[in-house]
Amino acid sequence: AQSVTQLDSHVSVSEGTPVLLRCNYSSSYSPSLFWYVQHPNKGLQLLLKYTSAATLVKGINGFEAEFKKSETSFHLTKPSAHMSDAAEYFCVVTLTSGTYKYIFGTGTRLKVLA
Amino acid sequence: GAGVSQSPSNKVTEKGKDVELRCDPISGHTALYWYRQRLGQGLEFLIYFQGNSAPDKSGLPSDRFSAERTGESVSTLTIQRTQQEDSAVYLCASSLMKLVGDTQYFGPGTRLTVL
Repeated sequence: AQSVTQLDSHVSVSEGTPVLLRCNYSSSYSPSLFWYVQHPNKGLQLLLKYTSAATLVKGINGFEAEFKKSETSFHLTKPSAHMSDAAEYFCVVTLTSGTYKYIFGTGTRLKVLA
Repeated sequence: GAGVSQSPSNKVTEKGKDVELRCDPISGHTALYWYRQRLGQGLEFLIYFQGNSAPDKSGLPSDRFSAERTGESVSTLTIQRTQQEDSAVYLCASSLMKLVGDTQYFGPGTRLTVL
């Protein structure tokens, strides 16, 4: 069965420093993986997705993620954090058959310090 | 274009009352999903529609929960005899079709508070 594990429930970084949000997945087949961001009182917004094309995926707002099959990881990175990046981030894997419903990680709350 | 919309944005109800939550998907999207986000917990899948049929209801937590969809349009999630543990944000998402890797677009959610 597919699942995702977000290793950190909270991450704090200083503005201008790199961001690393970790995600490991479990999937019997080649997964589709997503990162979504949720700002306070806002809906979920897609940052980027991996669907078996290039392993390095670039998303919006300078975020990117690298699919590493050997490590079953899909970590989200950004070279330089901005105050507006403060939000909750969700790693998602989809089922590879049937309904293709999303399986969500438990989320990582990113805090950006001035 | 218009995104997924949900109404009401907030709903406060008393324990034991019934509530209806509405979702308007993106026009042309055949797949529609309902998720629940409880405070301090991750998002959990409730039900999936393909057109107006619901081939996967596995996430509905009890028989107090039901949902329907009209064609490839509006969906309503109904919770009967609400309980305090039903308090959560209910999110709706739609996608163009049922394909691996197809992006789901989320609405802003309905925050349900059961007193």
